[in-house]
Amino acid sequence: AQSVAQPEDQVNVAEGNPLTVKCTYSVSGNPYLFWYVQYPNRGLQFLLKYITGDNLVKGSYGFEAEFNKSQTSFHLKKPSALVSDSALYFCAVRPLSGGSYIPTFGRGTSLIVHP
Amino acid sequence: DTGVSQDPRHKITKRGQNVTFRCDPISEHNRLYWYRQTLGQGPEFLTYFQNEAQLEKSRLLSDRFSAERPKGSFSTLEIQRTEQGDSAMYLCASSPETSGGTFTQFFGPGTRLTVL
Repeated sequence: AQSVAQPEDQVNVAEGNPLTVKCTYSVSGNPYLFWYVQYPNRGLQFLLKYITGDNLVKGSYGFEAEFNKSQTSFHLKKPSALVSDSALYFCAVRPLSGGSYIPTFGRGTSLIVHP
Repeated sequence: DTGVSQDPRHKITKRGQNVTFRCDPISEHNRLYWYRQTLGQGPEFLTYFQNEAQLEKSRLLSDRFSAERPKGSFSTLEIQRTEQGDSAMYLCASSPETSGGTFTQFFGPGTRLTVL
């Protein structure tokens, strides 16, 4: 079975500071990893994904994520946080091949960026 | 707007009533998914269609829930005899079919159901 852990319910950061939202995963075989963002009363918006290749993936709105196979992690990062980045962030995983095509989502991390 | 759309955005109903939600996927996407999201949780998978065929259903999908995608375009999710525990955000997503299965899901804005 596949699973995702987002160990922090909430991350607080000052505007202009770097941010990290943590994600670890468990999946059979090679992972296909995603990050989504959700604003209040809205659906999920795709940020970025990792399939293969370079461990640092760049996505929308200046976000990037670092894949670490040995630590089974896929942490979301941004060099300089904006107040408008405040939202819920979800990490998701599914097997790259075989198994179900349905991603499993983490519980989400609330990012709060203070002015 | 060429994104995924859902209707209605909000639904308030009384316990025991039936409700139906609609999802219109991105037009060229042949895969469509329904998820349920409760407060403080990530989306939980309910069911998945490839064209008009319902290929996978979660154990979360009790027999009070039924989903259809009759012409392989829009989909409906019906909940019969609603219970207060059905109160949640119901999310629809769609994705294209790509070689190697490396597709990305795109989500609609959701339908928030409140059962009184």
